[in-house]
This record gives sequence, C-alpha cells and structure tokens, in this order.
Amino acid sequence: DAGVIQSPRHEVTEMGQEVTLRCKPISGHDYLFWYRQTMMRGLELLIYFNNNVPIDDSGMPEDRFSAKMPNASFSTLKIQPSEPRDSAVYFCASSPTPRTVLISTDTQYFGPGTRLTVL
Amino acid sequence: AQSVTQLDSQVPVFEEAPVELRCNYSSSVSVYLFWYVQYPNQGLQLLLKYLSGSTLVESINGFEAEFNKSQTSFHLRKPSVHISDTAEYFCAVTSGSARQLTFGSGTQLTVLP
Repeated sequence: DAGVIQSPRHEVTEMGQEVTLRCKPISGHDYLFWYRQTMMRGLELLIYFNNNVPIDDSGMPEDRFSAKMPNASFSTLKIQPSEPRDSAVYFCASSPTPRTVLISTDTQYFGPGTRLTVL
Repeated sequence: AQSVTQLDSQVPVFEEAPVELRCNYSSSVSVYLFWYVQYPNQGLQLLLKYLSGSTLVESINGFEAEFNKSQTSFHLRKPSVHISDTAEYFCAVTSGSARQLTFGSGTQLTVLP
C-alpha cells in the first residue's frame, strides 16, 4: 500500500484566497483524521471522520475551516478565506477499526503533510 | 479529559550513549499509548505502541517503552543511540472510546558524534 497520500505537499497563497488540501487514506481504513502542526501549538486535532461521517469537529478553529469526506478514499480540508495565522503543516491520518473488541482504538498512520504558507 | 506531558523539549546525547525520553499522561480511564517519530520535513511515523498485554513494548530499531500505570508514565528508552536517531519524538495517548490522539509537545533528540 502507498500509505496516506496528501496533496499538495507545499502550498503558498495570499491572504484571502481559498485553499484546499487533499487526502487519500489507506484503503480499508474506517477513520480519517486531520491535524495541524505549528511551533506554538504543537499537534492539534482539527476533525475526524468515521465511515465518511464527521464525528468530532470541535478542533476546527472557526467557520473559515471546513472538511468533507465524500467517499471512503478521499477527503478535503478547505480554508476560505485564508489568513497568515493559518500557516502550518497540515497532516492527514487514517486508522482501521480494531480487529478485537478488547481494545477500542488502533494505530493512526500519517501522511507526509502539506506545508501551507499564507502571505 | 486526557493530556500528555513530555518533560524535556531538547535532549542532546552522544552517539552510542543510552537515552530516555520521558512521557507522563493523565487520563481517567484506560489508555492506549503511542510514540511517534518525526524526521525533518516528514510526517509522523509510528515507533511503538501499547494497546494491551505486556507493558514492555519494543520497536524494530532498538527503542523500547514501558507502560507504568501507577506512575502514569510511558518513557521511551534506547541503550545505544545512533546519529540517525536524531529526530523529534512525540508521545500520544487516547483512551476509552475516544479515537483522537492527544499529543505531547515533543522532544527533540539530537545525537552528537
């Protein structure tokens, strides 16, 4: 398997522009997560999906951020309008449903990230 | 609520010396613990994990961590480090029915020649 795929790897845009980040999870994984990494705040969960349905979006900073998962193999994170403070590395991760009922979670596999710079 | 504390932000160590990266967690329910490694300009890679069973877990490249419930710790150790181990290491926790990982602030391990 190719692992989690993210595109683009780098994005430079101007304040006010719309930015769309893309993610393809590992085939067969039921969970998809979007994280943001900054020097000041470290790694933060933005939102996660289970079977394409958003479960927890409490980490989404504000209404400028939106995420969708139209099918099991694709998700987008959109920022509109973008601001300089959105500059960060955005990671997508996917995780399978545990194979045993004895544990309730399993490993998350991360993509290479998208480095976003908003000027 | 769950939280993770990585007590050391920077750990410099000489090549072939032992190292311990500390991680303490806080959670009111049973936990699952992970160590991830991030090399420069790359994503996070799983190093090792504790889900259940033996409290001592090992990675393929010589790292190990021990889940200590009484001390709420999951420290990462390696008896002899290499230059190639230079990276940032993140401890993470999730618990109960929660799926999201809560990460520590990370520890930058720098191995010196």
